[in-house]
Amino acid sequence: DAKTTQPPSMDCAEGRAANLPCNHSTISGNEYVYWYRQIHSQGPQYIIHGLKNNETNEMASLIITEDRKSSTLILPHATLRDTAVYYCIVLQGRDDKIIFGKGTRLHILP
Amino acid sequence: GAVVSQHPSRVICKSGTSVKIECRSLDFQATTMFWYRQFPKKSLMLMATSNEGSKATYEQGVEKDKFLINHASLTLSTLTVTSAHPEDSSFYICSARGLAGDEQFFGPGTRLTVL
Repeated sequence: DAKTTQPPSMDCAEGRAANLPCNHSTISGNEYVYWYRQIHSQGPQYIIHGLKNNETNEMASLIITEDRKSSTLILPHATLRDTAVYYCIVLQGRDDKIIFGKGTRLHILP
Repeated sequence: GAVVSQHPSRVICKSGTSVKIECRSLDFQATTMFWYRQFPKKSLMLMATSNEGSKATYEQGVEKDKFLINHASLTLSTLTVTSAHPEDSSFYICSARGLAGDEQFFGPGTRLTVL
């Protein structure tokens, strides 16, 4: 079973920041938060991951709460190409297998 | 990021035939590869984990004799759907994890249609 809870869908206006929440209240100290997305009919794409600190890369920012029970993926300037299903996943690290939940279907509105 | 390819990208076959899908890591060596299937509008479901040179580990409910997995080299894993039936029609996706690094890289998927 997936260890995370995400809203099933969200809308965001093009050009605005998309903030995708994820609850992982049972996360343990050695587990990482990973985000992947899947654009229709393609394989999942890695976005970002983090343990405790906030992380940023060229695609997105990841904000993890101090108690680590939730996190938010931020796409700073959403475009139509960001329309996809976004998956928040908790992993113990490289030896853990990815179990996908239902994710959040993000619709970018023109 | 690292590149994972799948071949073919789509295949149509007759019921009762077997279909082989290849998954390759193009620019890195993958000690572990994973196979998933995905039905329309559903999430990805992990089928099995394969480590190079050893037998695959199948998830509960996945028939190992139906879905044969071979991981003979550090850059290639194959999934063979034996005696395919229409209910096997699905989107099959592989992923690979390298010797170093934490990320898994996913292939583009193979759409199988069994008539």
